[in-house]
Amino acid sequence: EAEVAQSPRYKITEKSQAVAFWCDPISGHATLYWYRQILGQGPELLVQFQDESVVDDSQLPKDRFSAERLKGVDSTLKIQPAELGDSAMYLCASSYFPGPGYEQYFGPGTRLTVT
Amino acid sequence: EDQVTQSPEALRLQEGESSSLNCSYTVSGLRGLFWYRQDPGKGPEFLFTLYSAGEEKEKERLKATLTKKESFLHITAPKPEDSATYLCAVQGTRRGQNFVFGPGTRLSVLP
Repeated sequence: EAEVAQSPRYKITEKSQAVAFWCDPISGHATLYWYRQILGQGPELLVQFQDESVVDDSQLPKDRFSAERLKGVDSTLKIQPAELGDSAMYLCASSYFPGPGYEQYFGPGTRLTVT
Repeated sequence: EDQVTQSPEALRLQEGESSSLNCSYTVSGLRGLFWYRQDPGKGPEFLFTLYSAGEEKEKERLKATLTKKESFLHITAPKPEDSATYLCAVQGTRRGQNFVFGPGTRLSVLP
């Protein structure tokens, strides 16, 4: 069964350092999402890609976060500099189409701890 | 603004004790309502999509129903392996509208 791949699974970094996460969506899924999930809360969307284009980054803290999907397949989310409040699970999801009603399939996530 | 609330926040059941989880939503036109299961330290796993009031879907011991304002996830004769956090999400009809997730219900099923 096809799955969304993410790496690393865990990352510990010191504040003010740079950190990057990678995601490879399910083959054939044109839409890719990055979410942040704080413990005890539901996921919150950071950025949505349709192929290589950003279609929604309204909740992305652009002063420190950046995301790219250069060839419309895999994607990288970067934080620079990391802050203590960035500690969270970062989830990648993909869907065949951006909607309507198309379910999103999630990867295992990257647990980030900023010290 | 679209909103999703879930209740209860946490639920403990004995094995075999059936119950229901609630997802209440406010959205400007519902495109779809989605249920996910999330195990600790893992990504959400897709369970169901519901599109219109009156719709029902079943999978093993789980049954999801939808009204105009809320959805229920019914768990019949749960087993310990059903222990997880259950997340509800809605997607509205406004152009570009994305998923809005609720905070989840943490379910524990005791043997």
